[in-house]
Amino acid sequence: EPEVTQTPSHQVTQMGQEVILRCVPISNHLYFYWYRQILGQKVEFLVSFYNNEISEKSEIFDDQFSVERPDGSNFTLKIRSTKLEDSAMYFCASSGTSGRLYTDTQYFGPGTRLTVL
Amino acid sequence: ILNVEQSPQSLHVQEGDSTNFTCSFPSSNFYALHWYRWETAKSPEALFVMTLNGDEKKKGRISATLNTKEGYSYLYIKGSQPEDSATYLCAFTVGNQFYFGTGTSLTVIP
Repeated sequence: EPEVTQTPSHQVTQMGQEVILRCVPISNHLYFYWYRQILGQKVEFLVSFYNNEISEKSEIFDDQFSVERPDGSNFTLKIRSTKLEDSAMYFCASSGTSGRLYTDTQYFGPGTRLTVL
Repeated sequence: ILNVEQSPQSLHVQEGDSTNFTCSFPSSNFYALHWYRWETAKSPEALFVMTLNGDEKKKGRISATLNTKEGYSYLYIKGSQPEDSATYLCAFTVGNQFYFGTGTSLTVIP
């Protein structure tokens, strides 16, 4: 069964460094998402992406964050200058082709644990 | 930020018991309600997407109902099994934004 994959599974970085989290969505999916979960807190929506541009973003997704689909398969989240509070589990998800973003089933990757020291 | 509440926060049931838990969300401007099952160390797995008031969905022993007028959804598990142990998350969507609850952690004791 097709699945969403994410790399790395764990990333440790120093405060102020840039990180890029990578995701490979399911191949025929058109919509891509990033979420994060800070330890002990709710899963939070960061951004959705369709047709090579951001479809929606939350207030968390400020200028420090960017997303890109650099080729036909990868979907990346970049954090330019990491802060301690960026430490969280970051999940990528993708969904299919109905054209209605909010009702499509989302398939999640296993997550990347980001630790900022 | 819209508030999505789930209750109870955690639940322990005996194998074979049936159980249910609640997701409460703002009743205005409703688009869809998603339920996910999230086992430790795995990805959240989509269970249901519900859009219409009065919707009922079923997948094996798990079912869900939706009341958009009063802003709640129930998830039911009939005859719980140890493999049902997981966190059950709901997410409410407004436009293309998703708002998650904190989840209900279910432990089924053999």
